[in-house]
Amino acid sequence: QKEVEQDPGPLSVPEGAIVSLNCTYSNSAFQYFMWYRQYSRKGPELLMYTYSSGNKEDGRFTAQVDKSSKYISLFIRDSQPSDSATYLCAMSGTGGSQGNLIFGKGTKLSVKP
Amino acid sequence: DTGVSQNPRHKITKRGQNVTFRCDPISEHNRLYWYRQTLGQGPEFLTYFQNEAQLEKSRLLSDRFSAERPKGSFSTLEIQRTEQGDSAMYLCASKRGFEAFFGQGTRLTVV
Repeated sequence: QKEVEQDPGPLSVPEGAIVSLNCTYSNSAFQYFMWYRQYSRKGPELLMYTYSSGNKEDGRFTAQVDKSSKYISLFIRDSQPSDSATYLCAMSGTGGSQGNLIFGKGTKLSVKP
Repeated sequence: DTGVSQNPRHKITKRGQNVTFRCDPISEHNRLYWYRQTLGQGPEFLTYFQNEAQLEKSRLLSDRFSAERPKGSFSTLEIQRTEQGDSAMYLCASKRGFEAFFGQGTRLTVV
């Protein structure tokens, strides 16, 4: 079992839809949870981060972490064609080598106008 | 632009040649990471520097790979005797706290 599991999709939705992206993980030492957006042939761009459990909202994006279930989610409201990209979840422990990010495979999202 | 800078953006090389990539991190970040990303996969950790000290290397980093960070500033990643399996995007990230910021990557193609 990989440390971080993420459905690669692809996921296609109409413009304006609510998108739900998810990851599960197995390492209970993970404390920091991040979502990155990656456009084709570009580096990953940090979208949101959360420490431990809870929710965080930033504009149209909401990140949720449920440590008891080892499950994280990213919700995108009122999705736009410009949101079309690959979304990567990433997580890490605390400090030292535990600070290395472990990524999911990424989910490719396409938002159709 | 004060983000992470990587050069070159693209590199095509013949099998068996040596290649070197450069990463200039965000200046106040003391931690620097190298990752490798192949098509359809998330980035995989290669190695990590705290200032000039290389503190960890992944088992993915064979003895053909070497990384340096002289004076704790920019970093280089060298691949000797390249193989077709080395074809990938090589990503550099610098870190503030737990936020890692990535460069645009160097796409290596070994022919």
